[in-house]
Amino acid sequence: EAGVVQSPRYKIIEKKQPVAFWCNPISGHNTLYWYLQNLGQGPELLIRYENEEAVDDSQLPKDRFSAERLKGVDSTLKIQPAELGDSAVYLCASSPSRWGASGANVLTFGAGSRLTVL
Amino acid sequence: AQSVSQHNHHVILSEAASLELGCNYSYGGTVNLFWYVQYPGQHLQLLLKYFSGDPLVKGIKGFEAEFIKSKFSFNLRKPSVQWSDTAEYFCAPSYSGGYQKVTFGIGTKLQVIP
Repeated sequence: EAGVVQSPRYKIIEKKQPVAFWCNPISGHNTLYWYLQNLGQGPELLIRYENEEAVDDSQLPKDRFSAERLKGVDSTLKIQPAELGDSAVYLCASSPSRWGASGANVLTFGAGSRLTVL
Repeated sequence: AQSVSQHNHHVILSEAASLELGCNYSYGGTVNLFWYVQYPGQHLQLLLKYFSGDPLVKGIKGFEAEFIKSKFSFNLRKPSVQWSDTAEYFCAPSYSGGYQKVTFGIGTKLQVIP
């Protein structure tokens, strides 16, 4: 079974440029997460989807960040325009079900997309 | 606000030494508790989890963790570490309220010296 697939693995851009990251979760996983991980820190949630609905986007900086999961499967995270402080690893994860069910909140992570903004 | 605290940010041990990594969370309701591990060059992956029942849970590679509700703690232990345990370890509680958010601690870098 394929795991969570993310692309690109690495991206170097100049500030003020746009960038997009793509994630394909594990087949059948309804819940999809985007996390941001800065060096020396733990992952911080940006947005969580249940199917195609964004159920928690309270930590997403909406002035420059956007995300979509149009058909409830793969997802795209976009930054426009990028700033120097956006340099980080962007992690995608998925899980099979919601609270109370077997496997709930057990996250499977992708390899991450490392962004460097110059 | 819900939060998680990992007490040891960088731990260096010799092989065969015992390991205990502290984790405390701040939430009085129902929680699911997880430890994730990231080996050098690899993805974050699940090490072990607690949902309910026996508060002592066992995970992969000989790791275990004990849930102590009265102390809001979920400490990770291993009796004898190996060089291959060198990795970063993250405690991650998931809270039943609100958006059922999985919150990660800052992480503990473990370095095992042969």
